Amino acid sequence: SQQGEEDPQALSIQEGENATMNCSYKTSINNLQWYRQNSGRGLVHLILIRSNEREKHSGRLRVTLDTSKKSSSLLITASRAADTASYFCAPIYNTNAGKSTFGDGTTLTVKP
Amino acid sequence: KAGVTQTPRYLIKTRGQQVTLSCSPISGHRSVSWYQQTPGQGLQFLFEYFSETQRNKGNFPGRFSGRQFSNSRSEMNVSTLELGDSALYLCASRPPSGSYEQYFGPGTRLTVT
Repeated sequence: SQQGEEDPQALSIQEGENATMNCSYKTSINNLQWYRQNSGRGLVHLILIRSNEREKHSGRLRVTLDTSKKSSSLLITASRAADTASYFCAPIYNTNAGKSTFGDGTTLTVKP
Repeated sequence: KAGVTQTPRYLIKTRGQQVTLSCSPISGHRSVSWYQQTPGQGLQFLFEYFSETQRNKGNFPGRFSGRQFSNSRSEMNVSTLELGDSALYLCASRPPSGSYEQYFGPGTRLTVT
């Protein structure tokens, strides 16, 4: 399978805490993206990290990529109730630029 | 710019019927992809269209088909509906610059009874 696999499946934290979710994939990638989905809605692109990058920041988001371990992590710092959503990683492989393969996602619940 | 729009937002059909869903990408975007999301199977890629041509296809039966028009609007059709086709159908468009970032619409919730 070429999809990313997110871990954990579910995560529940208190507002203000940090949330870390992980993604593993199987073969060499061109880049990897993270998306957020609020319940029953479309996905929103959060951040893209290229295969030659190791870390990227966007506001309260920090993404790391370890190509030797074929894994990525998404850290959300100082979480808010509005961060409650499902988070998906999407590895992009060289031969399927227009096709994103998503795992089952991590469901994050941030309690106020 | 207006975002990706999908119509209808909700749909109820009975088994054996067919359905057509519509997706209008962001102005200037020429790539449109379709995904099916169900609680059991997660988010699965259906197909991608670019300049009216199908460029990628997922592992779905032939009952699922799509097309893209010259204005980049896309439709997907599901014939002989089955209960298992109940899902949220999402479309996404990509800018022409070669960016990998996809912009998703709100989805069409299809219920098959």
